[in-house]
Amino acid sequence: DAKTTQPTSMDCAEGRAANLPCNHSTISGNEYVYWYRQIHSQGPQYIIHGLKNNETNEMASLIITEDRKSSTLILPHATLRDTAVYYCIVPGFGNEKLTFGTGTRLTIIP
Amino acid sequence: TAGITQAPTSQILAAGRSMTLRCTQDMRHNAMYWYRQDLGLGLRLIHYSNTAGTTGKGEVPDGYSVSRANTDDFPLTLASAVPSQTSVYFCASSPTAPANYGYTFGSGTRLTVV
Repeated sequence: DAKTTQPTSMDCAEGRAANLPCNHSTISGNEYVYWYRQIHSQGPQYIIHGLKNNETNEMASLIITEDRKSSTLILPHATLRDTAVYYCIVPGFGNEKLTFGTGTRLTIIP
Repeated sequence: TAGITQAPTSQILAAGRSMTLRCTQDMRHNAMYWYRQDLGLGLRLIHYSNTAGTTGKGEVPDGYSVSRANTDDFPLTLASAVPSQTSVYFCASSPTAPANYGYTFGSGTRLTVV
């Protein structure tokens, strides 16, 4: 797996966009970037994944830099229910398994 | 609702006893996984199965065994529980492996070994 680096924690005001960065400078050309989140005591929840193009779904947007060495997960209008630990994962091409690091603890402030 | 069902939700187990954590999915996913999560730490992979009839070891397999007799079920067995196996256990599945699709996780089993 490519190593990922995320800030330990972040705060964001309710209603604002939450931008969560992830560095994955050792990523190779055919490796995807995945984002999951884990709300307190629940199982992790898949958010989004991408290879090189920016991606958007009903939950979030994923912006991947042109050199693919970093990405940003954007929650466009954060709510209190978005308070969670967010994991950025690059499992490696052909790797069957996801490896979770310690992620970013995002706190949405009322 | 389609998804993953884990049972039991929680359990207190005496050290030395055996226990099987159950995991069932109804999405016809080929790949299934067991993770454990300890307080303040990320999830660590215990065992996985890419398809029915096959299993593999993850990062922390010692003290655990799994079987995959069919597509839907992936039980995790602790043959002789020890206190260090106190943890929250999550089962997950994905349509296929390699994991170029999102995982679906269960709600977890909170196990306390005393």
